[in-house]
Amino acid sequence: GIQVEQSPPDLILQEGANSTLRCNFSDSVNNLQWFHQNPWGQLINLFYIPSGTKQNGRLSATTVATERYSLLYISSSQTTDSGVYFCAVRYGQNFVFGPGTRLSVLP
Amino acid sequence: KAGVTQTPRYLIKTRGQQVTLSCSPISGHRSVSWYQQTPGQGLQFLFEYFSETQRNKGNFPGRFSGRQFSNSRSEMNVSTLELGDSALYLCASSWAPQETQYFGPGTRLLVL
Repeated sequence: GIQVEQSPPDLILQEGANSTLRCNFSDSVNNLQWFHQNPWGQLINLFYIPSGTKQNGRLSATTVATERYSLLYISSSQTTDSGVYFCAVRYGQNFVFGPGTRLSVLP
Repeated sequence: KAGVTQTPRYLIKTRGQQVTLSCSPISGHRSVSWYQQTPGQGLQFLFEYFSETQRNKGNFPGRFSGRQFSNSRSEMNVSTLELGDSALYLCASSWAPQETQYFGPGTRLLVL
């Protein structure tokens, strides 16, 4: 099956800093999504991005499907950005999640 | 438009019992998927339904089952509960199987 890796596993930032989260996958995929899981467990859809670049406010994402990776950029981080960020890929009929990056933004 | 809703939000059961969880998708969405999240295994795919048909199932024992109704609402059932079934169970809906998935708040199940 497909392997989905995320790095770094943990990240601690000061408020206002920028960060880049990475998602690598081992095979071609049909689509890719980024999610933010808040402390209450709710998964919030950030981007649906099988390829190319998208931006939404302070967040942007880039997927290079041919090189099998995706990046999530967070600029001017805020304490409310804390939580776990997951990438997930559609591989055949399965939807496979990476292990996540735990982000802590300190005031 | 209302989001994905899941009931109940919290549940405590004992080993050997069975449990049924419910998921109501976003209006107009016909695809529903279920996931189990545990600290040790992360987020794992359970099964996916589309138009009342199970399209795919993850690597879980037969104690885990589900169904989808004509109004797209879905239920999952776990029989003969084990301690290891304690987890956050998440439901996601999408317009169609390959489209963007939107998640509900989850049901936290504790098996004692």
